[in-house]
Amino acid sequence: EVQLEQSGAEVKNVGSTMKVSCRVSPYNFTYFYMHWLRQAPGKGLEWVGVVDPEDADTKYAENFEGRVTITADTSTDTTFLELSSLRSEDTAIYYCATLAGSSLAYFEYWGQGTLVTVSS
Amino acid sequence: ENVLTQSPGTLSLSPGERATLSCRASQSVTTYLAWYQQKPGQAPRLLIYGASSRATGIPDRFSGSGSGTDFTLTISRLEPEDFAVYYCQQHGSSPPTFGQGTKLEIK
Repeated sequence: EVQLEQSGAEVKNVGSTMKVSCRVSPYNFTYFYMHWLRQAPGKGLEWVGVVDPEDADTKYAENFEGRVTITADTSTDTTFLELSSLRSEDTAIYYCATLAGSSLAYFEYWGQGTLVTVSS
Repeated sequence: ENVLTQSPGTLSLSPGERATLSCRASQSVTTYLAWYQQKPGQAPRLLIYGASSRATGIPDRFSGSGSGTDFTLTISRLEPEDFAVYYCQQHGSSPPTFGQGTKLEIK
């Protein structure tokens, strides 16, 4: 079964940059489109963006354009989400998620989530 | 973006009863519609994809129906572990979007 292991919780200052990782095992990383989503406390789910590890092609939600970078390191089977110019409203649990062997954007496998708290 | 509206916001039922959750899209998604269950402190769990196909390991008391803009998730006989928040999600157009959720609580 596909396992997604995310990095630990972070506390960041307003205006700083966060970087969260998600490692895929035990399958070939390039088989998966890796998506990132987030969920603010007590709120619903929001799609942030996606990376295709095979060619590093990315697509981002408009709300995050200019602040977000999603990358994939095929040597470590890890995807990274970087979000800059953090605001208090970026406080959320960030999830990586994927669907094996398909570019369709629904999500069968999820990481455990990483809580990022942005404080002033 | 395609806005999904779920109803009701909260549904209060007893174990053994039937639950019917609705999801309406502002634009057609054909059948590119998924349903998820989320329990406190956990990541969402995929229940239904393609509007009506059950994901691996999902009990057959969960069923999905609909196409276009109107969709339904039905839980035929509620078990205690089914009380959770349910989200619909469309991927017929980019960006993928979610409904605001329906909380299914024990009456």
